[in-house]
Amino acid sequence: AQSVAQPEDQVNVAEGNPLTVKCTYSVSGNPYLFWYVQYPNRGLQFLLKYITGDNLVKGSYGFEAEFNKSQTSFHLKKPSALVSDSALYFCAVRAIDNFNKFYFGSGTKLNVKP
Amino acid sequence: ETGVTQTPRHLVMGMTNKKSLKCEQHLGHNAMYWYKQSAKKPLELMFVYSLEERVENNSVPSRFSPECPNSSHLFLHLHTLQPEDSALYLCASSQETHQETQYFGPGTRLLVL
Repeated sequence: AQSVAQPEDQVNVAEGNPLTVKCTYSVSGNPYLFWYVQYPNRGLQFLLKYITGDNLVKGSYGFEAEFNKSQTSFHLKKPSALVSDSALYFCAVRAIDNFNKFYFGSGTKLNVKP
Repeated sequence: ETGVTQTPRHLVMGMTNKKSLKCEQHLGHNAMYWYKQSAKKPLELMFVYSLEERVENNSVPSRFSPECPNSSHLFLHLHTLQPEDSALYLCASSQETHQETQYFGPGTRLLVL
């Protein structure tokens, strides 16, 4: 069975500091991994995805994520956080046996303080 | 904007009411989804339509009834809901290949009194 875990409900970081939002996954076979961001009163917006190839994936708004197969992780990172990055972040894995199914984590609230 | 619109954005209804949520995508996708988002819980996939046929129904109560008249439109008909059904209902669309992501609408915030 496929699943995603986001171990932190909330991450606090000062503006200008690097940020990391953690995600681990459980999937049989090669994973298709995604990060989404949700701002208040908005739907989810796609940030980046890993399908195959380079383990470091770059996405929107300066975010990147590193796929680590041995640790089954796909942590989201940004070198320098902005206050406007404050939002809810979701990690997701797409089912191998059913492309219609996405499994989402419970979300991590990122607070960037000035 | 993501190319997926939802109406209404907010809805308050009594337990005996009947209402419908509407979703429209302008991306030429061939799959559409309904999700339920409750506080501090993972997104719950409710229904999946691929090429206008329902391919997934994750044991959703019958008081939720989806309809997909064409590849651009998706409805969620609601009747005799319960207060615990209060949540944000998100629509998404995608192209049905493993490399494609889903694009989400802004959601309908539903409150059942």
